Amino acid sequence: AQSVTQPDIHITVSEGASLELRCNYSYGATPYLFWYVQSPGQGLQLLLKYFSGDTLVQGIKGFEAEFKRSQSSFNLRKPSVHWSDAAEYFCAVGAKGSARQLTFGSGTQLTVLP
Amino acid sequence: DTAVSQTPKYLVTQMGNDKSIKCEQNLGHDTMYWYKQDSKKFLKIMFSYNNKELIINETVPNRFSPKSPDKAHLNLHINSLELGDSAVYFCASSQGTGFDSPLHFGNGTRLTVT
Repeated sequence: AQSVTQPDIHITVSEGASLELRCNYSYGATPYLFWYVQSPGQGLQLLLKYFSGDTLVQGIKGFEAEFKRSQSSFNLRKPSVHWSDAAEYFCAVGAKGSARQLTFGSGTQLTVLP
Repeated sequence: DTAVSQTPKYLVTQMGNDKSIKCEQNLGHDTMYWYKQDSKKFLKIMFSYNNKELIINETVPNRFSPKSPDKAHLNLHINSLELGDSAVYFCASSQGTGFDSPLHFGNGTRLTVT
């Protein structure tokens, strides 16, 4: 079965600084990979996804993520963080051939300082 | 014009009671889901319906019973509530059952069992 690890429970960055959120997955083949964002009191919103092809994927709100097979990682990045980016971020993995089931990580809480 | 709406937003009840959470989507999607997010933010799928047919039924106590009267609605009924049922329950929908169909989440229902 697949699994996802987000090593950082909480990250604090200053507004305008760069951001990298880590995600490591465990799966025997190439997985489907996703990043979701959850603002307080809201549901999850898809930021970006990786299925195949170019390992650097662009998402909404200026986010990007890079799939590194050798490191089993799919880290999320943003060059310059805005105060509105403060939220909880979830990495998720889906196994090909499964019945449409995503395994989510435990999330990383992002705080943005003014 | 909320895409996926859940009611109620908050639900506080006593052990042993029976309660329901309603979900409606106006996106015209074929597939709907219930997810449970526990106190540690882990998000786990409970059920999935496609065109009113149950397609995913994870290891969930049979006190939990989903009902899909039509494609746009997926309700969750919980019998004999227990303390451990306290969590945030998210409804979601997608156009199809494949991973290329992004999930659209509702804002969640925070259930507190006392």
